[in-house]
Amino acid sequence: NAGVTQTPKFRVLKTGQSMTLLCAQDMNHEYMYWYRQDPGMGLRLIHYSVGEGTTAKGEVPDGYNVSRLKKQNFLLGLESAAPSQTSVYFCASSTGEGYGYTFGSGTRLTVV
Amino acid sequence: QKEVEQDPGPLSVPEGAIVSLNCTYSNSAFQYFMWYRQYSRKGPELLMYTYSSGNKEDGRFTAQVDKSSKYISLFIRDSQPSDSATYLCAMSAVGRGSTLGRLYFGRGTQLTVWP
Repeated sequence: NAGVTQTPKFRVLKTGQSMTLLCAQDMNHEYMYWYRQDPGMGLRLIHYSVGEGTTAKGEVPDGYNVSRLKKQNFLLGLESAAPSQTSVYFCASSTGEGYGYTFGSGTRLTVV
Repeated sequence: QKEVEQDPGPLSVPEGAIVSLNCTYSNSAFQYFMWYRQYSRKGPELLMYTYSSGNKEDGRFTAQVDKSSKYISLFIRDSQPSDSATYLCAMSAVGRGSTLGRLYFGRGTQLTVWP
């Protein structure tokens, strides 16, 4: 029972480097989300998708891009990493409106 | 003002105590109310799910929703050290005027239950 799988689990980047975080779900969920979690700030929505081929901005989209080419995958890209993007990133998926989310175990990203 | 307000704590109680966790919200369109539990260095997991007003009980956990006061609560009876975690409330609206089922989260309350 995999649920939502995030890779990698840990990563250290230098300022200006790029990387892609991968989220994969095996529950056939339509909706997928990327959040970042910082101490004292709670969960903040970066981008989300309501179906294959669709994406939308959340609360804090600047510096991030996303793609949903396949229903089961949702990719989060950092084009030019900044220290302010040091955070724990969570992916989540859901069946749709009114349903709870299933979260992945997170990616701890440090930008130095 | 944030859509959902939650006291971050920390809250520290002895084993066996009754714990009360609360959130307030401002959007009267919210209809679905949830509580998530997040252990240290793990992802949040859905603990309780409630639709509209009323109570829901699951073992030692009881979720209450008072839509007239825009206030939700989670009660933990006979608390155990294994309940030590951060508890996040979350809520959403659906239908016209909703943001496509998006959940709005509180910042979380950190709970420690000591033996």
